[in-house]
Amino acid sequence: AQTVTQSQPEMSVQEAETVTLSCTYDTSESDYYLFWYKQPPSRQMILVIRQEAYKQQNATENRFSVNFQKAAKSFSLKISDSQLGDAAMYFCAYRSQFTSGTYKYIFGTGTRLKVLA
Amino acid sequence: NAGVTQTPKFRILKIGQSMTLQCTQDMNHNYMYWYRQDPGMGLKLIYYSVGAGITDKGEVPNGYNVSRSTTEDFPLRLELAAPSQTSVYFCASSPSGTSGTFSYEQYFGPGTRLTVT
Repeated sequence: AQTVTQSQPEMSVQEAETVTLSCTYDTSESDYYLFWYKQPPSRQMILVIRQEAYKQQNATENRFSVNFQKAAKSFSLKISDSQLGDAAMYFCAYRSQFTSGTYKYIFGTGTRLKVLA
Repeated sequence: NAGVTQTPKFRILKIGQSMTLQCTQDMNHNYMYWYRQDPGMGLKLIYYSVGAGITDKGEVPNGYNVSRSTTEDFPLRLELAAPSQTSVYFCASSPSGTSGTFSYEQYFGPGTRLTVT
């Protein structure tokens, strides 16, 4: 079974600085998708960025980028020029291949990011 | 386009009471999911559905039931509420496509905070 591990329960970053959140996963599949979701205090789950495993190029979305290392099964999120609004819980998620009639999404336990003014 | 909507936003139940959490999506997604999020934890899958009339158990189904009579609606029923069911409940949906113009992430509702006392 696939697993997703976020080893940093909490991180802090100074406003305007850069921070990297770690995520590792375990799988025997070759084709899958990875996501980072942001959950602010409102509790709404917001997609930050997605990565297709078959693409070697790292995904970027404005100030957010990933470092996808398929062989190492690592998928870290880099936030550049951190802003106060980036403070939230961040979840790493894995979508499996289509098996048993559906796709399964597996979530890590989250990393709480604090942004210091 | 409202996305995924959930009602109610908050609810307090007494032990032994029952209730239904409503979830509706207007994106014509085949796949729908119910998760629970306990404090400081990630998401655990309760039930999922791959289409109208088809549902299956996730990793923590005990104490819950679901139905899916239409593509849009996926209600979650709690029977005989227990304090262990105190949690935040999220409904999510995703399309069944895998490539091309399809997106493949999950879209989440705003959550329902349930307290059982």
